Parts: sequence; C-alpha cells; structure tokens
Amino acid sequence: LAKTTQPISMDSYEGQEVNITCSHNNIATNDYITWYQQFPSQGPRFIIQGYKTKVTNEVASLFIPADRKSSTLSLPRVSLSDTAVYYCLVGDFNNNAGNMLTFGGGTRLMVKP
Amino acid sequence: DTGVSQDPRHKITKRGQNVTFRCDPISEHNRLYWYRQTLGQGPEFLTYFQNEAQLEKSRLLSDRFSAERPKGSFSTLEIQRTEQGDSAMYLCASSFGLAGGETQYFGPGTRLTVL
Repeated sequence: LAKTTQPISMDSYEGQEVNITCSHNNIATNDYITWYQQFPSQGPRFIIQGYKTKVTNEVASLFIPADRKSSTLSLPRVSLSDTAVYYCLVGDFNNNAGNMLTFGGGTRLMVKP
Repeated sequence: DTGVSQDPRHKITKRGQNVTFRCDPISEHNRLYWYRQTLGQGPEFLTYFQNEAQLEKSRLLSDRFSAERPKGSFSTLEIQRTEQGDSAMYLCASSFGLAGGETQYFGPGTRLTVL
C-alpha cells in the first residue's frame, strides 16, 4: 500500500473550515483515497472516499488533484465535536479481495471555542 | 443499533493468563477484520476473514494469538499467555466486500490491560 504523510496535529476554532492535506506520492493507478475519523476510546469511523477530482458528502469534501499525489480533506464549519484524529489511507479498495487497511499516525485536530 | 459490537469493552488480566474477545459484525457483512491499536498510534492489521475462512494473518499475530469465525458470523480473538506488550485496544471491523468498493465499519474496541 502507498505510504501517506499528513501533519501530526492541527488547531482550529469553531466555525472555521479545516483542510487537512495528505501526501501519497507513490499512489498506484488502482488505489483509492479514504479518510477515517477516530475519537478517543472509539473505533475509526469512515468519512469519505474518492479516486479523483472532488467528492462531497454530508460530512466533508475530498479534493484530489489530477496527479493524485496528494489529497485534501475539507471539514466545513468545524465544531468542538470534530476534535479527533483523522487518518488518510490509500489502497486498492475496489478489488475483490480483502483490504488490510494501513493506518499512519493520523492528524490530531483540536477545535477550540 | 445494527453496528459492529465487541465484548468486553475493557479487560484487565494478569500476565500469563488467557483472554478471549468477541466481535459481532454487521449481519450481512461477509468480511471481518481484527486490528490492534496502541496508544498514540494508528490501528495495525492482525487478521482477516472472508465468511468463515481466515485468509490473511499479519506477522504481528504470534503463535499466542488465534482467531476464529465459525459459521461466518461472529468472531473470537484469543490471546494465550498474555504479556504486558499485549496491552492495547483490539478493534474489529466488518464489510460487505465486493468488486466496486469496500468500506470497513469498526466496532468500539476492547481495551486490554495486562498487569
């Protein structure tokens, strides 16, 4: 699986838009980009997945440039409850075999009042 | 709630004891994964089942670890002769794997403390 690099931590304030960028220079043609969110003492929660350009759901947007060597998770108008660790993962999630997710250290987002 | 459930949520044991954890996946999901997470780190893959077949095992899964998924439903993870280094959060995830995409849904985890 392609290695990912993301900031260790970020601080923000309530109501702001937060953008977390992930680098994945060795992404393969069949690889997708997936983001998970994890609160303390809970399992990771799927946020969003994309292959190219832009994907948006009710929680976040995912921006992927044409070369796909990076991606940006955008959280609009964060609240205190968005304080969590955010993981960027890259892998071939579109195949017919099991996917052993490889998590890095994640980005610890702290939202302040 | 029809999410992934794990039991127990917390387990404290003494070094050398055996422990067993249970995971109940989302009912229609055919794939089940076990991960381990230590403090400050991301989860690490341990093993994976498709239905009742255990198809992958990480080298992290020593001989003291064994996992089963009888009848392709719930799964158990047993650790024999626990060591202090086994202290971690053990996470279970399930998915409905098929060509066209897979999303893994995680349970709340079992936190193991080995004294």
